[in-house]
Amino acid sequence: GAGVSQSPSNKVTEKGKDVELRCDPISGHTALYWYRQSLGQGLEFLIYFQGNSAPDKSGLPSDRFSAERTGGSVSTLTIQRTQQEDSAVYLCASSLDGHEQYFGPGTRLTVT
Amino acid sequence: QKEVEQNSGPLSVPEGAIASLNCTYSDRGSQSFFWYRQYSGKSPELIMFIYSNGDKEDGRFTAQLNKASQYVSLLIRDSQPSDSATYLCAVMESGGYNKLIFGAGTRLAVHP
Repeated sequence: GAGVSQSPSNKVTEKGKDVELRCDPISGHTALYWYRQSLGQGLEFLIYFQGNSAPDKSGLPSDRFSAERTGGSVSTLTIQRTQQEDSAVYLCASSLDGHEQYFGPGTRLTVT
Repeated sequence: QKEVEQNSGPLSVPEGAIASLNCTYSDRGSQSFFWYRQYSGKSPELIMFIYSNGDKEDGRFTAQLNKASQYVSLLIRDSQPSDSATYLCAVMESGGYNKLIFGAGTRLAVHP
């Protein structure tokens, strides 16, 4: 079946602009996660959605970052007033039961 | 700060040999452990998970868990050049939020 999809695959933006990254989870998966991976670094947790529960936002690095999940499916990660340190690959993962997480292909964000 | 430690490598093994990848973690309450494979420029791919002490085998892969020692390992038998990748150890944080804490990864190089 179809895996996790993310769009765009690449995004180049100027410092100070806002960006939106989209994630479509695997159909039927109730849990959705956002991570980011900076060059040569490990994966860093950003935010977690589970069903209709309040999201776990504990990993968001600043108030410029926000995410929402509409209808329990598609999620959008928004970064306002982008900075150069926001440059990274943003990865979305989904899970059927909150355990095994399956990643999408990622969005490579470059802030110039 | 909950941590997952891995030797960054590179771990170089000849084709056909056993590759042994190790991981230690600090969260004593963790119950779920995962190994992901990440090819250069690609997103992580889940290859094994283990919840109970002991060994779990899946094809050429064996995951080993020792909760008392807070140690997880991945053995790859009959290593192939196509196994050359970075292997990420991930530990599910205790506390109920299903957040994965990732190690920085071990780069494996299998040479013919």
